[in-house]
Amino acid sequence: GAGVSQSPSNKVTEKGKDVELRCDPISGHTALYWYRQSLGQGLEFLIYFQGNSAPDKSGLPSDRFSAERTGGSVSTLTIQRTQQEDSAVYLCASSLGTRGFDTQYFGPGTRLTVL
Amino acid sequence: AQSVTQLGSHVSVSEGALVLLRCNYSSSVPPYLFWYVQYPNQGLQLLLKYTTGATLVKGINGFEAEFKKSETSFHLTKPSAHMSDAAEYFCAVSTQRRGGADGLTFGKGTHLIIQP
Repeated sequence: GAGVSQSPSNKVTEKGKDVELRCDPISGHTALYWYRQSLGQGLEFLIYFQGNSAPDKSGLPSDRFSAERTGGSVSTLTIQRTQQEDSAVYLCASSLGTRGFDTQYFGPGTRLTVL
Repeated sequence: AQSVTQLGSHVSVSEGALVLLRCNYSSSVPPYLFWYVQYPNQGLQLLLKYTTGATLVKGINGFEAEFKKSETSFHLTKPSAHMSDAAEYFCAVSTQRRGGADGLTFGKGTHLIIQP
């Protein structure tokens, strides 16, 4: 079946602009996760959704970052007033269940470049 | 809190030689441990995971890892390296939190180089 898909694959934006990143999880997967991968920080966990709710938003780097999930499926990560330090690859993952041992399946990522 | 340490940001081995990628973790509760591989410009693919039970875990592409609680380690091995194994490898830990899942905590990654 289809894996996790993300769009766009690449996004170049100017400092101060808002961007929206989209994630389509594997059909039927309850949990959805967002991560950020950058040279300086490695792989960082940002936020996860259990259904449509996000129990813990403390991993988001600043209040410029927000995420939502609708219909228990598609999720969008929004970054407002982008800064150069936001440049990174944003990875989305989904898992069938919400237990710690459930395998997370990753999408190919969105490469964000802030000029 | 949990953390993962991967020793060696770059590891180089000859084709056909043993591959050993080191991972040590820190966790206050029993951990679930994962190894992921990332090929250039691609997402992460699960190689194997340890949840409970047998401490020697076999994964895809001939890789295996052994969970050693006393050493807080989960090293990844492959008896004979192949050119196609060249990639970035990430060790990760997860725990079961109250209320549901937890994000994975990743190590910094190890870039595996295969010499012909």
